[in-house]
Amino acid sequence: QVQLKESGPGLVQPSETLSLTCTVSGFSLTSYSVSWVRQPSGKGPEWMGRMWYDGDTAYNSALKSRLSISRDTSKNQVFLKMNSLQTDDTGTYYCTRGPNWFAYWGQGTLVTVSS
Amino acid sequence: DIQMTQSPASLSASLGETVTIECRASEDIYSNLAWYQQKPGNSPQLLIYDANSLADGVPSRFSGSGSGTQYSLKINSLQSEDVASYFCQQYNNYPPTFGAGTKLELK
Repeated sequence: QVQLKESGPGLVQPSETLSLTCTVSGFSLTSYSVSWVRQPSGKGPEWMGRMWYDGDTAYNSALKSRLSISRDTSKNQVFLKMNSLQTDDTGTYYCTRGPNWFAYWGQGTLVTVSS
Repeated sequence: DIQMTQSPASLSASLGETVTIECRASEDIYSNLAWYQQKPGNSPQLLIYDANSLADGVPSRFSGSGSGTQYSLKINSLQSEDVASYFCQQYNNYPPTFGAGTKLELK
């Protein structure tokens, strides 16, 4: 069955870089796109960016200068890197599959930006 | 970016009651709208896509409607397991954007 799982550090220092990995199973990254979505506690989700099935990427313009998404199809993994983290980047980060709506989500990983 | 405004922000209802949650887009999104349910500590779960299509495995007491800039999610015969937060999301324009959510509690 379709599964996605996020992994990465739970705590990041202000001004440093966040690196997260989304490991997928049950589908091919060359057939489906994977997005990153984050959610501050108690607030609505925010779409961050997408790795398309053909290897192209799309980013939320609000984050584009700080964000990079890449993949390793041999390992079924999609990567997120975001630099210059600040306290308002704290929240749960999800990877999710779907062209437009998001039918499959990972469990999420909580990222806290704090010194 | 398209702004999605949900109302109410919170809602209290009784078991068996019918509940309606509204979502308004800042411009026409041509029914390119999804609804999600999120229980505390869990990931969002897709309920509705294309404004009125029920996602796989979702109970038929959930329904979506609307067009243009105005959309709604209706829950018939509220069950205890429906206590959750609900979010709308548009995918007509980039970037996809979500509403701030409606928190549904039992009265």
